Amino acid sequence: ETGVTQTPRHLVMGMTNKKSLKCEQHLGHNAMYWYKQSAKKPLELMFVYNFKEQTENNSVPSRFSPECPNSSHLFLHLHTLQPEDSALYLCASSQGGRTGAEEQYFGPGTRLTVT
Amino acid sequence: GQNIDQPTEMTATEGAIVQINCTYQTSGFNGLFWYQQHAGEAPTFLSYNVLDGLEEKGRFSSFLSRSKGYSYLLLKELQMKDSASYLCAVRDGDYKLSFGAGTTVTVRA
Repeated sequence: ETGVTQTPRHLVMGMTNKKSLKCEQHLGHNAMYWYKQSAKKPLELMFVYNFKEQTENNSVPSRFSPECPNSSHLFLHLHTLQPEDSALYLCASSQGGRTGAEEQYFGPGTRLTVT
Repeated sequence: GQNIDQPTEMTATEGAIVQINCTYQTSGFNGLFWYQQHAGEAPTFLSYNVLDGLEEKGRFSSFLSRSKGYSYLLLKELQMKDSASYLCAVRDGDYKLSFGAGTTVTVRA
């Protein structure tokens, strides 16, 4: 149990569907992240929120839309995805400070398949 | 852009030592992390280096040389449960981590 939960764990969706991924952290952290992990590729940072403000958008296509209503919750809204978007989507959180180890705690991920 | 290189795969026998190397070229440097990821699970934090030298934590040690853009993770007294992917990541800003593709370590009996 890492203190970061994600739902759903598995999702299959068509290219015309709209779905949302949810992440919740129970660690009292102030920074939250979305990553994409494709097979044999490095983890790719997608978005960063710090104190509910988006501080990083790593050139992510607009078909991915993040939402951070508070420091404990993070959503990733999906619409008109492409098959190449199939991947493991990982959420992480960290303390939010600018110094120190600032380790990130990851959730178990959502395995997304776009058909 | 960021460039973080580590070997794709390594195999070792139970009880042995394995060293996973990581070289990096990044626009900034604010620390280097190692994470462990078992198949189908979340990455978990192993170590953090920001100054040159060796950090030891039980069976795992991590080394950093900032001038060479080089780090390694040393796994001693290998156990079967150490079979996993090991991710090298560089913090190159306030919050941003750039990851290598990961090294899959297989421990054989």
